[in-house]
Amino acid sequence: NAGVTQTPKFQVLKTGQSMTLQCAQDMNHEYMSWYRQDPGMGLRLIHYSVGAGITDQGEVPNGYNVSRSTTEDFPLRLLSAAPSQTSVYFCASRVRGPNTEAFFGQGTRLTVV
Amino acid sequence: AQSVTQPDIHITVSEGASLELRCNYSYGATPYLFWYVQSPGQGLQLLLKYFSGDTLVQGIKCFEAEFKRSQSSFNLRKPSVHWSDAAEYFCAVESGGYQKVTFGTGTKLQVIP
Repeated sequence: NAGVTQTPKFQVLKTGQSMTLQCAQDMNHEYMSWYRQDPGMGLRLIHYSVGAGITDQGEVPNGYNVSRSTTEDFPLRLLSAAPSQTSVYFCASRVRGPNTEAFFGQGTRLTVV
Repeated sequence: AQSVTQPDIHITVSEGASLELRCNYSYGATPYLFWYVQSPGQGLQLLLKYFSGDTLVQGIKCFEAEFKRSQSSFNLRKPSVHWSDAAEYFCAVESGGYQKVTFGTGTKLQVIP
C-alpha cells in the first residue's frame, strides 16, 4: 500500500497563478483533510471531507477550493495564489469514526512569489 | 470550539534524560486526544491516542501520556530519550462530530549528547 500520496512535493508559483495540489489514498478511508503548516502555528485545517461528494470548510478556507468525486482523491485548488499561501500543505486520511488514526502524506512545499 | 495549547515551543534534553511535553486542551465534553510526531521533512505519525478508560496511555517508541481531566491536560512522557527522538511533537483534539481534528502549535525537541 502506498498510503497517502501527495503531488507535487515542491512547487513555486507566481502571484495570481492557479494550481491544484493532488492527494490520493489507497486505504479506502472515508475521511480526508487538508492542512497547512506554518512556523509557530502548527497545522491548521483548510477543508475536509467525510465521503465522496461531501466537503466542508475548516478554519482557514479562504482562497482554496476542494471537491471529492471519489473516495480515493481529494485535490486542493488554489484559485489565485498569494504570497500568504506560501506554506507546507499536508493531506491526511482516516477511517470513519471517533478517535481514529490520521495518516499523512509527505507534504507539498509551496512558495508563492 | 475546541483548542489545544502546547506552551513549550522548544525543549532541549540530554540523551538518556526523561522527557515531558505539555498539552492542555479546551473542549466541553470528553475529548478524543492524540499525540503525533513529525520528523524533519516528513508527515506526521501517530504516537498514541486517548478516548476513555485508563488515563495512562501507552504508545509506540516507549512514549506514554496521562490524561488529567481536572487539569485539562494530556502530557506526553518518555523515561529515557534517544537521539532519534529529536523531532516536532503535536498534541491534537478531535471534536465530538468526529470530523475535525485540531492541532496544537507543536513542541520542537532537541536531544543533545
